[in-house]
Amino acid sequence: DVKVTQSSRYLVKRTGEKVFLECVQDMDHENMFWYRQDPGLGLRLIYFSYDVKMKEKGDIPEGYSVSREKKERFSLILESASTNQTSMYLCASSSSGTREEYFGPGTRLTVL
Amino acid sequence: RKEVEQDPGPFNVPEGATVAFNCTYSNSASQSFFWYRQDCRKEPKLLMSVYSSGNEDGRFTAQLNRASQYISLLIRDSKLSDSATYLCVVPRSNDYKLSFGAGTTVTVRA
Repeated sequence: DVKVTQSSRYLVKRTGEKVFLECVQDMDHENMFWYRQDPGLGLRLIYFSYDVKMKEKGDIPEGYSVSREKKERFSLILESASTNQTSMYLCASSSSGTREEYFGPGTRLTVL
Repeated sequence: RKEVEQDPGPFNVPEGATVAFNCTYSNSASQSFFWYRQDCRKEPKLLMSVYSSGNEDGRFTAQLNRASQYISLLIRDSKLSDSATYLCVVPRSNDYKLSFGAGTTVTVRA
């Protein structure tokens, strides 16, 4: 069974803080993704990585950065958290050649 | 036009009923499609893949209409456990990214 884990289920931060969200997958998948999910908007892609140290901007990268130093680990960084970054953050992974994505349980981030 | 559009619902149906809903997509070149299921406060999980005209898995049937660019999902003999949000997912061209609809909420009542 594919397992994708995320470092926290719930997180509360203050405006201006630097926030790290970590994601680990155990199936040797090449591709990893960070999404945010907001009511009525669905899942929106923030960043995507198709290999170690490789990254691509998604649809809403502003205010975010990512790091992928190891194949199994993909980190999302909020350099200076703002209230409009309050959301559910979902990490996913997939194997090259398939489009099926496996999701982690999500991190509900609240920025006060 | 959004890449993937879904009727948000909610669809409230009694146990045992049949419920069906559609998803429209804008990219006419899309070759494969997915339905994901997301339970309340949980992560999305793959329910079904659709690669040709349709797919059937037990009580769930997905149909694809390429001419009109929509995919439907039909649930027969609804169970309480079918209550969830169903996400329509369409791969983007030329890369590994997916476009997600905002979801259709189904509530099955006893």
